[in-house]
Amino acid sequence: QVQLQESGPGLVKPSETLSLTCSVSGGSISDYYWGWIRQPPGKGLEWLAYIYNTGSINYNPSLKSRVTISVDTSKNQVSLKLTSVTAADTAVYYCARGGGWFNPWGQGSLVTVSS
Amino acid sequence: EVVLTQSPGTLSLSPGERATLSCRASQSVNSIYFGWYQQKPGQAPRLLVYGASHRATGIPARFSCSGSGTDFTLTISRLEPEDFAVYYCQQYDSSPYTFGQGTKLEIK
Repeated sequence: QVQLQESGPGLVKPSETLSLTCSVSGGSISDYYWGWIRQPPGKGLEWLAYIYNTGSINYNPSLKSRVTISVDTSKNQVSLKLTSVTAADTAVYYCARGGGWFNPWGQGSLVTVSS
Repeated sequence: EVVLTQSPGTLSLSPGERATLSCRASQSVNSIYFGWYQQKPGQAPRLLVYGASHRATGIPARFSCSGSGTDFTLTISRLEPEDFAVYYCQQYDSSPYTFGQGTKLEIK
């Protein structure tokens, strides 16, 4: 059974870069699509990006210039970087398996943008 | 961008009752690229239905989905106590993938 675990800094200063890692266990990262979705506190879900084995990548245009998704097959990890963050980027960031529907999801990593 | 609007915002029902949750899209969505999720407080969303009618592994048969074009419905035939949560619809027919704003299903 595939399990996902996000890890990240928790607190990021405005204008800096947010970096998150999703560690995947119970399956090879090379066999599936992987995505990132975020949820601001008390709000709904926003899809950010997906990737398949570095060969297929798609970003939400609302973030396209600031977001980068990547995979490290040697570590079985998916990463997300978001540059020039503001308070509006404060959210729980989830990684999930899939490039259409998403299943399963990690437990999420809360990232707060504040000085 | 396809905007998904869910209704009602909050639905108050009792265990044993039937729940009908709606999701309307701003433009036509191919039903095979449509799904529903359940989210409980403090937890990640859980996939319920994908491809319009396929229940995810472990999802009880009381959850069903119907619809096409711009109007989709999630039906819970007989509510169990564990079904009270927030439900989101999602389209993955066109990029960017989008979610509805959610319907909160609460105990009456």
